[in-house]
Amino acid sequence: GEDVEQSLFLSVREGDSSVINCTYTDSSSTYLYWYKQEPGAGLQLLTYIFSNMDMKQDQRLTVLLNKKDKHLSLRIADTQTGDSAIYFCAEIPTGGYNKLIFGAGTRLAVHP
Amino acid sequence: ETGVTQSPTHLIKTRGQQVTLRCSSQSGHNTVSWYQQALGQGPQFIFQYYREEENGRGNFPPRFSGLQFPNYSSELNVNALELDDSALYLCASSNTGQNTGELFFGEGSRLTVL
Repeated sequence: GEDVEQSLFLSVREGDSSVINCTYTDSSSTYLYWYKQEPGAGLQLLTYIFSNMDMKQDQRLTVLLNKKDKHLSLRIADTQTGDSAIYFCAEIPTGGYNKLIFGAGTRLAVHP
Repeated sequence: ETGVTQSPTHLIKTRGQQVTLRCSSQSGHNTVSWYQQALGQGPQFIFQYYREEENGRGNFPPRFSGLQFPNYSSELNVNALELDDSALYLCASSNTGQNTGELFFGEGSRLTVL
């Protein structure tokens, strides 16, 4: 079946790196996504990775994809208080019509 | 470039009532998807509209219905509201000509059913 799983909570110190992990089930997913949701707001696309890539870097963000283990991670370097939010991993399953399957989200708390 | 806008932002209804939520898609986008996000959970796909027709549906009952208009804006209708329908309803627009599948979300309509 279709399922995306994430750990629910992560707490880091300002300036440290954050690593948010995700596992997914559909090995045929073409793209995998990371979205950010701040309190009371909609979802903002942070980055995505094509399934034939192992890594993608975009400024402070690094996405790692392990297709064999169906594992996706998002690393945020030099984490700031403004990074405090909920981060969602998402996949589009085979024949998904751009239907995103989201995980439950990881709440990132950044403390001084 | 105009982003995705949704209305109303908040509303309160009682069980059994009906609700209509509205969404204007981002300029240049021809596809609209609706998601339900219950408190503490990730968004769940309700359905998608393309060229004014439903183009994919999630595991939601028929009392959830929608429309897409020629200008690509969309409505989500929910009949016979239940307490569990309380959630943030998110609209997302995209362009089928874009092969990355990126969705652009509005800020949502928060529905409370009493």
